[in-house]
Amino acid sequence: DQQVKQNSPSLSVQEGRISILNCDYTNSMFDYFLWYKKYPAEGPTFLISISSIKDKNEDGRFTVFLNKSAKHLSLHIVPSQPGDSAVYFCAASASNSARQLTFGSGTQLTVLP
Amino acid sequence: EPEVTQTPSHQVTQMGQEVILRCVPISNHLYFYWYRQILGQKVEFLVSFYNNEISEKSEIFDDQFSVERPDGSNFTLKIRSTKLEDSAMYFCASIFRQGGQPQHFGDGTRLSIL
Repeated sequence: DQQVKQNSPSLSVQEGRISILNCDYTNSMFDYFLWYKKYPAEGPTFLISISSIKDKNEDGRFTVFLNKSAKHLSLHIVPSQPGDSAVYFCAASASNSARQLTFGSGTQLTVLP
Repeated sequence: EPEVTQTPSHQVTQMGQEVILRCVPISNHLYFYWYRQILGQKVEFLVSFYNNEISEKSEIFDDQFSVERPDGSNFTLKIRSTKLEDSAMYFCASIFRQGGQPQHFGDGTRLSIL
């Protein structure tokens, strides 16, 4: 049951360049999407979110894009910094539930100096 | 910034024993969640809790699991008779209200069943 999919297990990017992380979902009931960042031995840390009524949300270096017709979202990090190296999880929730999160499998981002 | 805190950070238990994982959610939050992540796998939802009762649970959350909010600050997950496959990271999360709010996660408890 892969309702949220991150097809790239890893991504390497040069410092200063753009990092683009992708996520696809299948459940049409999802209406709220989040990106979390996770370092080893720590819990997921919230980065940015987007409601299904929007198609873009920006916060500093981080922008999330939502394409509802394609059931696809992406996280753009510009410019990428070595401290951004971590595992990035896409997550989704539905308003007809207790808002529990369904996670993707994560993408390991490595930003090379 | 307020944090969700979890204790212990690592718990080692013999198979068949009971284990209690503890969480202190952010103080004004009203909704509480447990998730787990088996090594190399996705973070999976276990249970949500609101107003002193379970609001939703996954198929993972069988009769061996229970949750409790014994006082105004703690939120616990009990596994009655642990199995080898219960070995995982267990994350607690909380939120003030549902809708448009990100869940805040603790750093997790690594549970190792021997």
